[in-house]
Amino acid sequence: QKEVEQNSGPLSVPEGAIASLNCTYSDRGSQSFFWYRQYSGKSPELIMSIYSNGDKEDGRFTAQLNKASQYVSLLIRDSQPSDSATYLCAVKPQGGSEKLVFGKGTKLTVNP
Amino acid sequence: DGGITQSPKYLFRKEGQNVTLSCEQNLNHDAMYWYRQDPGQGLRLIYYSQIVNDFQKGDIAEGYSVSREKKESFPLTVTSAQKNPTAFYLCASSRVGGLNEKLFFGSGTQLSVL
Repeated sequence: QKEVEQNSGPLSVPEGAIASLNCTYSDRGSQSFFWYRQYSGKSPELIMSIYSNGDKEDGRFTAQLNKASQYVSLLIRDSQPSDSATYLCAVKPQGGSEKLVFGKGTKLTVNP
Repeated sequence: DGGITQSPKYLFRKEGQNVTLSCEQNLNHDAMYWYRQDPGQGLRLIYYSQIVNDFQKGDIAEGYSVSREKKESFPLTVTSAQKNPTAFYLCASSRVGGLNEKLFFGSGTQLSVL
């Protein structure tokens, strides 16, 4: 069973701080990694995708991937109250027929 | 605007009743998916389809059925055999193949049992 693990939180940070969200995965051959943001009662929204080792930046968001450690993270700089949501990590295991595996999500609260 | 439309937003099921959730997309995506989300839990795959008239079971297909008669449509039926149907149901679509298989989600249907 391919697994994706996330700390369920809640993670609480003050406004303006850096929020760091972490995710580990079990399938060493995984190639594609995604972060989704889900507000309460709403559907997930894709915010970042990463495929190669290293960092990928998009505005206030940075995704970091370390395939050797089977670890992917999401950093949110200058956190805003509007960033308060549950963040889902999703990993596509190796193999053409494999579907995305989702973690259970980390709930982030940004305090004004 | 391109997107995925799910209906209804809220649905109530009586015991012994089958109910159908609608999902339509105009993104020209080949693949469509149904997920179930329980409170505080991640997404669990029910069924998926990569081509018209073909679909595969996901991790929790028992008590559910689907059809894919058109590329744009992928309805989900929650049958009376599903004894614990209360959950948030999400439909998604994506392109097929390659690394860039990003999922785009509809707005979801909250199903509750009366």
